[in-house]
Amino acid sequence: GQQVMQIPQYQHVQEGEDFTTYCNSSTTLSNIQWYKQRPGGHPVFLIQLVKSGEVKKQKRLTFQFGEAKKNSSLHITATQTTDVGTYFCAGAPRPSGSARQLTFGSGTQLTVLP
Amino acid sequence: DGGITQSPKYLFRKEGQNVTLSCEQNLNHDAMYWYRQDPGQGLRLIYYSQIVNDFQKGDIAEGYSVSREKKESFPLTVTSAQKNPTAFYLCASSMGGFSAEAFFGQGTRLTVV
Repeated sequence: GQQVMQIPQYQHVQEGEDFTTYCNSSTTLSNIQWYKQRPGGHPVFLIQLVKSGEVKKQKRLTFQFGEAKKNSSLHITATQTTDVGTYFCAGAPRPSGSARQLTFGSGTQLTVLP
Repeated sequence: DGGITQSPKYLFRKEGQNVTLSCEQNLNHDAMYWYRQDPGQGLRLIYYSQIVNDFQKGDIAEGYSVSREKKESFPLTVTSAQKNPTAFYLCASSMGGFSAEAFFGQGTRLTVV
């Protein structure tokens, strides 16, 4: 079955440093979504990428979808303490439309040291 | 306010007992899902429902059961057959399929004592 690998599992950064998490799928994806889960909270949708090579930005966050639609990354510039949490990618293989096929990565837990 | 509500937030269960977790949404979403989250792991799909009176097994359905009698409600029962039920359970809903964003409830932390 489809597997979505996410690295690193943990990342500690000093406030102001950059952070990147990577997501790799064993199969070609129709789209990929990113979620953030604060400590003790629930996942909150951040963004969805659909097109090959797509790049989207949300303030200090930059999301990329690979040309082959098998990998994705989330980059945070100049981290702040509010960025603390676990970031998950979630991929749906082609063809899309089946809820069963959305597979979450294991997440990257980000700690920002003040 | 529109949203998705899970209750209770914390639940303790004795071994051998069944327990039901509640999930209600007023977003008028057709699709609802149950996930299990264990420390250091991602979200694993237990069951999902695309429409009322219909639901499908996810990747780890053994030891769980669900019902979807109303569009707004998708309760999950953790049965005594579930070998390791202690976990964080998350309910989610979406407009349909997974090309749409999923909205998650606050979660229920189940502990077997």
